[in-house]
Amino acid sequence: DGGITQSPKYLFRKEGQNVTLSCEQNLNHDAMYWYRQDPGQGLRLIYYSQIVNDFQKGDIAEGYSVSREKKESFPLTVTSAQKNPTAFYLCASRDSPKETQYFGPGTRLLVL
Amino acid sequence: EDQVTQSPEALRLQEGESSSLNCSYTVSGLRGLFWYRQDPGKGPEFLFTLYSAGEEKEKERLKATLTKKESFLHITAPKPEDSATYLCAVQESGTSYGKLTFGQGTILTVHP
Repeated sequence: DGGITQSPKYLFRKEGQNVTLSCEQNLNHDAMYWYRQDPGQGLRLIYYSQIVNDFQKGDIAEGYSVSREKKESFPLTVTSAQKNPTAFYLCASRDSPKETQYFGPGTRLLVL
Repeated sequence: EDQVTQSPEALRLQEGESSSLNCSYTVSGLRGLFWYRQDPGKGPEFLFTLYSAGEEKEKERLKATLTKKESFLHITAPKPEDSATYLCAVQESGTSYGKLTFGQGTILTVHP
């Protein structure tokens, strides 16, 4: 089955710690995205990548970093500079001809 | 700046009671409008893409319509399993990287 996987499902971060969220897709999509979802707010774009070895900041990139070394993978690191990291993180990839983004199951990040 | 407003914030229906969800948007030019369904603790599931005013799409009990200023998601004879949060997003024409602007969602609860 083609799709997007995210791991872990739950992640706990200690003060001052960097943590990395995994996102993998086997849909052969070029573009991938990371969003953050907070209660009562719409999804907000953190980073996006249109092609391997290229990525751009979204609307709320401060305190986050990404890499895109392979077409299938787009990991997100939440750094210690992100002061309010508790949220539901969603990865997506885009079917370019149809302009449609498909989402993974999400990772919930909690702070200890 | 793109804006997307969904109403109502929450909607409670009895099983079989048809209704509509609204998504109002403000963009300089629309490239696409997207509807997603999101169950608690899961990633959004793609439902429909609408590209131009007058377009309609259907899937089981759901029908999405589009005008120049808003989109409606009509739910006919809903069942309890239709309970979820429904998200609307728009992509503005001229955005090359597929940026989506999301509304805050409508929480639909269908009682048996």
